[in-house]
Formats: sequence, C-alpha cells, structure tokens
Amino acid sequence: AQSVTQPDIHITVSEGASLELRCNYSYGATPYLFWYVQSPGQGLQLLLKYFSGDTLVQGIKGFEAEFKRSQSSFNLRKPSVHWSDAAEYFCAVGDMVGGATNKLIFGTGTLLAVQP
Amino acid sequence: DAEITQSPRHKITETGRQVTLACHQTWNHNNMFWYRQDLGHGLRLIHYSYGVQDTNKGEVSDGYSVSRSNTEDLPLTLESAASSQTSVYFCASSDGLAGDTQYFGPGTRLTVL
Repeated sequence: AQSVTQPDIHITVSEGASLELRCNYSYGATPYLFWYVQSPGQGLQLLLKYFSGDTLVQGIKGFEAEFKRSQSSFNLRKPSVHWSDAAEYFCAVGDMVGGATNKLIFGTGTLLAVQP
Repeated sequence: DAEITQSPRHKITETGRQVTLACHQTWNHNNMFWYRQDLGHGLRLIHYSYGVQDTNKGEVSDGYSVSRSNTEDLPLTLESAASSQTSVYFCASSDGLAGDTQYFGPGTRLTVL
C-alpha cells in the first residue's frame, strides 16, 4: 500500500541555518510528490511538487526538493531559514488515476521551530 | 480571485447530534475532498467526489457522509457526532486534469462534547 514517512516529528533550527526535512514514500509506480506547509491556524499551502523531468524541484519561499528514486525519498531543503518559516510541513504522494492526482496520502508532518 | 471557503470555522456540539460542515469553491473544480487532521496522523481522507452526483469513501469514512448536488459545494455531514470525531476538518479541490494540485480551505475545528 502507498505510504509516506516523515521520520522527524519536530525539528529546531537557528535562523540563517540550512534546513533539510526528510520524506520517504512507498508507491508502486512513478510517484507524484508534494510538499505542503501549514502555518498555525491556517490551511495547507503548496510549496512544490514533482511530476516528472528534473529531479530537483524549485518551489516558493526559497524551498527546493530532490526526488531520489533509488532511496524512495523526496527531501525538502532550504539554504537559509527565516523566522517566518516556522510551521508544520507535510509531504504527500498522489494516488494517480488517468494521469491526474486522484487522492493525496500524507505523512504525519514535521513541526519546524526557528530559534533567533 | 478563486477560492475555497469552509464554514463554520469553529463548532462545538454534543455527542449524538447531527452536524454539517460546509465547503464551497469558486475554482470550478471537478474534484473535491474532505480530510481530517489529528495529531500524529497527519491528514486522512474521509470522502471525495469527482463531479456532481459522484461520491466515494476514503480511508476514514465511518460516521460521515457527503453529497454533491453542484460543482461548487461538498458538505460533510456527521450523522451522530462522537467524541472521536473531534478534529480539524479540511476541504480541498482540484481540477482533475493531469498534473493537478489540490487547493485547501482554511479548516473547521470541531469539538464534540
């Protein structure tokens, strides 16, 4: 069955430091992968997505993610974290039907805290 | 601008009552989804719809129902609310085309006492 694992429940980084959030997936075919961010009390906002092509994907707010098929991973990175990046981050895999994203299967999320 | 809205944003109800959560989107999207978010579980799919008159069960559908009478709305009904249904509920929509993205509403926090 399809699944997504985010091994880090909570991460704290200093402002200006680099960030990497881990995501591993289990999916039988070529996965469609997403990273969403959720600020406190808000809905989810799409950061970036991978469908095909270049395995390094650029997103909004200076984030990027790299798809590594051999490791079944789609880790999210940012070279320099800002205090406003404090939020919860969700990785998801799309359960595809007919080439369109049918349903999303989410990981349990990683809560990011940023120290001044 | 197109958007997806949910109402109410907060709701407190009692065990056994019927509750309906509204979801309205102006994207003209075919696909609509309901998720619940609980600590340690991420988001789990409750029900989804690919178009008018179409509804499907998701991973955690017991105790919930939906109906799709038009493109814009997918209300979620809790037939007889239980304390285990205390959660934050998110509605989402997507256009159903290749490479589509799901857009999420702001959520409804439901407390069942």
